[in-house]
Amino acid sequence: NAGVTQTPKFRILKIGQSMTLQCTQDMNHNYMYWYRQDPGMGLKLIYYSVGAGITDKGEVPNGYNVSRSTTEDFPLRLELAAPSQTSVYFCASSYRGNYEQYFGPGTRLTVT
Amino acid sequence: AQKITQTQPGMFVQEKEAVTLDCTYDTSDQSYGLFWYKQPSSGEMIFLIYQGSYDEQNATEGRYSLNFQKARKSANLVISASQLGDSAMYFCAMREVLAGGTSYGKLTFGQGTILTVHP
Repeated sequence: NAGVTQTPKFRILKIGQSMTLQCTQDMNHNYMYWYRQDPGMGLKLIYYSVGAGITDKGEVPNGYNVSRSTTEDFPLRLELAAPSQTSVYFCASSYRGNYEQYFGPGTRLTVT
Repeated sequence: AQKITQTQPGMFVQEKEAVTLDCTYDTSDQSYGLFWYKQPSSGEMIFLIYQGSYDEQNATEGRYSLNFQKARKSANLVISASQLGDSAMYFCAMREVLAGGTSYGKLTFGQGTILTVHP
């Protein structure tokens, strides 16, 4: 099993550009999450999904959108990138909400 | 709302000694879960240990133990016999638990403590 994979590993965006961060898991997990980690800080939940077709906002959803059309994939869309979105983005998954979360390696995004 | 506080921005320990990393939490929920994660300089998040709010015994995983004091709302991580490879950022996190023991799994993280192990 590859676990949770994220692409790209690094990306530099200009202000106002858009991009999609990809997240895929091969563990047949129902629950998936997107977190962001600002420099020197802990992770904050952006969006989460409890199954295909079901998503909900976390603590810091503004400026982001998600979709969950399959069990495996949970892409995060940034529209009109802003410098405040410079961060490391982690995707995670778990079989159920009260099971252990497995994290991907992260995507480091810089918006200039 | 849940809140996690880690008051130690940085900690230093001598190799082979024990170290305690502090974590206090705030929640109005009766049921919750507490986690510790390690983040080395390479950036990945590594799960270390879990404690449920109704667990009567403190959790242990190898050299890691969680000193859970429910009345004080603290969940400190104790690392025994520190190794150079323990140098990393450590995060305390809390997970909500809903009625019936279910959860959406949403984690709330503290700001982290950087641990440096000296030889």
